[in-house]
Amino acid sequence: DVKVTQSSRYLVKRTGEKVFLECVQDMDHENMFWYRQDPGLGLRLIYFSYDVKMKEKGDIPEGYSVSREKKERFSLILESASTNQTSMYLCASSHRGPMYGYTFGSGTRLTVV
Amino acid sequence: TQLLEQSPQFLSIQEGENLTVYCNSSSVFSSLQWYRQEPGEGPVLLVTVVTGGEVKKLKRLTFQFGDARKDSSLHITAAQPGDTGLYLCAGAEGGYQKVTFGIGTKLQVIP
Repeated sequence: DVKVTQSSRYLVKRTGEKVFLECVQDMDHENMFWYRQDPGLGLRLIYFSYDVKMKEKGDIPEGYSVSREKKERFSLILESASTNQTSMYLCASSHRGPMYGYTFGSGTRLTVV
Repeated sequence: TQLLEQSPQFLSIQEGENLTVYCNSSSVFSSLQWYRQEPGEGPVLLVTVVTGGEVKKLKRLTFQFGDARKDSSLHITAAQPGDTGLYLCAGAEGGYQKVTFGIGTKLQVIP
């Protein structure tokens, strides 16, 4: 069964900590994405990548960075966690082309205290 | 960023009823996708529509892409409790398939 795996379902971190969220896909997808989902705001794109070592800012990149050293792995980094980064984080992947939909991971519920 | 508006935002209906959910934008999309998300899980792709006027059916679900590729609808016939969830539409722009999501329609089907 093809899938996108996110390393943690739940995380609790302290303000100021550096946080790593890992995402791995086994479908040989070129595209990978990080979204956060908040009530009333929907899914907002943080960063995306169309190829290895390539990254593009999404709509809300402030406070985040990413790394894609291998095709199957896309990491999201919170440089210094803040309480307003408490959210559900969703990783997704897809083939290139508008006819392909996304495959999402199960999400990481991050709480920053 | 293109804006996708979904309506209604909340819908509570009895089992067996029909319903339609709408997704509208002022922008043209190269494709439009529909997802269903259950609490605590990631969204799951239901369908992708690419051609203006296209209609796709998935059992009791019927998806339509507007002729001008700016809007879409999802119609559910004889809703069942298993249809309960958050329905998201997402529009793809350009060749790299960066999509913008609507806020979603939260559907509850009461047995």
